[in-house]
Amino acid sequence: GQQVMQIPQYQHVQEGEDFTTYCNSSTTLSNIQWYKQRPGGHPVFLIQLVKSGEVKKQKRLTFQFGEAKKNSSLHITATQTTDVGTYFCAGFLYKLSFGAGTTVTVRA
Amino acid sequence: DGGITQSPKYLFRKEGQNVTLSCEQNLNHDAMYWYRQDPGQGLRLIYYSQIVNDFQKGDIAEGYSVSREKKESFPLTVTSAQKNPTAFYLCASSKDSFNQPQHFGDGTRLSIL
Repeated sequence: GQQVMQIPQYQHVQEGEDFTTYCNSSTTLSNIQWYKQRPGGHPVFLIQLVKSGEVKKQKRLTFQFGEAKKNSSLHITATQTTDVGTYFCAGFLYKLSFGAGTTVTVRA
Repeated sequence: DGGITQSPKYLFRKEGQNVTLSCEQNLNHDAMYWYRQDPGQGLRLIYYSQIVNDFQKGDIAEGYSVSREKKESFPLTVTSAQKNPTAFYLCASSKDSFNQPQHFGDGTRLSIL
């Protein structure tokens, strides 16, 4: 069945540093969505990638969809305390499959 | 403001008891979903509905039931057959399918007494 794996599970980052979280699918996807869940909150939609090799930016966040549409990445530059939370990717083929998420903590 | 309202925020279930979680949306979305979230496991799909009076099982439907009598409402019943119900339950909606961004409610945290 369709599976989406996310690494790393935890990311501890020094404020001001960059980091990347990766999402890999066992099957080719139609699109991939990214969500952010703050501690104690609910997932909030960030972005959707549809095209092979697509790159989208939201301020300090850069999202990329792989050429084979089986992997994606989220890169955050100059991490701030507001970036704390869990970032989920969700791959769509016939249904949406969520990765387990990358939980980000920031050291001030 | 448009959004999704889940209630209650916290719920406790006794052994052998069925409990119902409420989910209401005023986004005029056709599709609604129920997810279960356990620590370190992401979101797992329980049931989904893309149109009134129709719903489909997700990956972990055993021990759960739903109804979709109105477009705005998609209640989830956790039955006594669900032996490990302690989790955070999230309701979501999207315009018409999984292909669209999902909007989530604030969730219901269910615990066993």
